[in-house]
Amino acid sequence: QKEVEQNSGPLSVPEGAIASLNCTYSDRGSQSFFWYRQYSGKSPELIMFIYSNGDKEDGRFTAQLNKASQYVSLLIRDSQPSDSATYLCAVTKGSNYQLIWGAGTKLIIKP
Amino acid sequence: SAVISQKPSRDICQRGTSLTIQCQVDSQVTMMFWYRQQPGQSLTLIATANQGSEATYESGFVIDKFPISRPNLTFSTLTVSNMSPEDSSIYLCSVGGQQYGYTFGSGTRLTVV
Repeated sequence: QKEVEQNSGPLSVPEGAIASLNCTYSDRGSQSFFWYRQYSGKSPELIMFIYSNGDKEDGRFTAQLNKASQYVSLLIRDSQPSDSATYLCAVTKGSNYQLIWGAGTKLIIKP
Repeated sequence: SAVISQKPSRDICQRGTSLTIQCQVDSQVTMMFWYRQQPGQSLTLIATANQGSEATYESGFVIDKFPISRPNLTFSTLTVSNMSPEDSSIYLCSVGGQQYGYTFGSGTRLTVV
């Protein structure tokens, strides 16, 4: 079992709809959870992070964390073609809080 | 968040040679992280570099192949030594912490021929 799992996609969503990206993790001791967006040929950029159970909203983005079920999700409302990218889930582990990365989900927003 | 200047952005190197990648941060940071990202794959941590101590390498990565320097709190280098085509990848440095997240340099795309 991978430490952080994501559906590789591609996930195709019509423009204006809600895109839902999911991530599960294996270490119950993980404390911090991150969502990154990576455009082709670019480095990852941080979208959101979440520590506590529940929802955290930032503009069109909402991160959801459920520690009991060990999953974290990212919702993108009013999806735009510019949201088309690979979305990486990362989870902290260990005393250095190093990041363990999922393989990423490729999201395609269709005009 | 910190801003990282990474160079070179890309390079094509002959097998058997070495390449040194530099990362300069605009603020002092305790830890710097070096990653590799092979085409179509996610990020793999190579090592964590603390100023004033030896870098900590992850399983599968060794100091002789990937020596790291961390001379001060704003700068680090990663050298890819004795390169082979299997080392062709994107190399990324990163700084940050669990409280505010992690930022990345722009990456170095390395091709070994």
